[in-house]
Amino acid sequence: EDQVTQSPEALRLQEGESSSLNCSYTVSGLRGLFWYRQDPGKGPEFLFTLYSAGEEKEKERLKATLTKKESFLHITAPKPEDSATYLCAVQAEETSYDKVIFGPGTSLSVIP
Amino acid sequence: DTGVSQDPRHKITKRGQNVTFRCDPISEHNRLYWYRQTLGQGPEFLTYFQNEAQLEKSRLLSDRFSAERPKGSFSTLEIQRTEQGDSAMYLCASSLGHGANYGYTFGSGTRLTVV
Repeated sequence: EDQVTQSPEALRLQEGESSSLNCSYTVSGLRGLFWYRQDPGKGPEFLFTLYSAGEEKEKERLKATLTKKESFLHITAPKPEDSATYLCAVQAEETSYDKVIFGPGTSLSVIP
Repeated sequence: DTGVSQDPRHKITKRGQNVTFRCDPISEHNRLYWYRQTLGQGPEFLTYFQNEAQLEKSRLLSDRFSAERPKGSFSTLEIQRTEQGDSAMYLCASSLGHGANYGYTFGSGTRLTVV
């Protein structure tokens, strides 16, 4: 069964303290891996799509990387406004193009 | 266009009652998705539409759940005979083309509480 896990479950950082979030996936074939940000009481907001191992995408203080079994979301010098839940999701080759499986998320708190 | 709109934002209902939620997607988006999210979990796929056609339904979507998208515009999700286990955030998203390639645009959700 296709599965997505994320670690840690929660992460507390001081402002400016860089770190990484992990997303591990088990699918028979990966069509794409996605990162979303979700603020409390809101729907997820799309950040990145990664398609193949070795690919990297950047946006402001965030950089997403992909290997054959996992993805990392690196946060450089985070600010309090980066506090949110970060969701990883995958689309497997054997599923329809429109079915995406989400992980449980990592809740990030950045303390001033 | 201000994004994906969902109504109501919150709904409290008694067990056994029927509820209906509405989603207005971004107007030029042809794909519309319903997801359900419980506390501490990621969204779970329920169903999706391409224009007015409902193309896939999750096994999570029991026969008490029905979704429609008349004329390929707004969509409704109805839950009949609600149960306490239906309490969750119901999220709607839309996309232009394959959601994976372009990213989904989510609404802010409808939080359902069944008492």
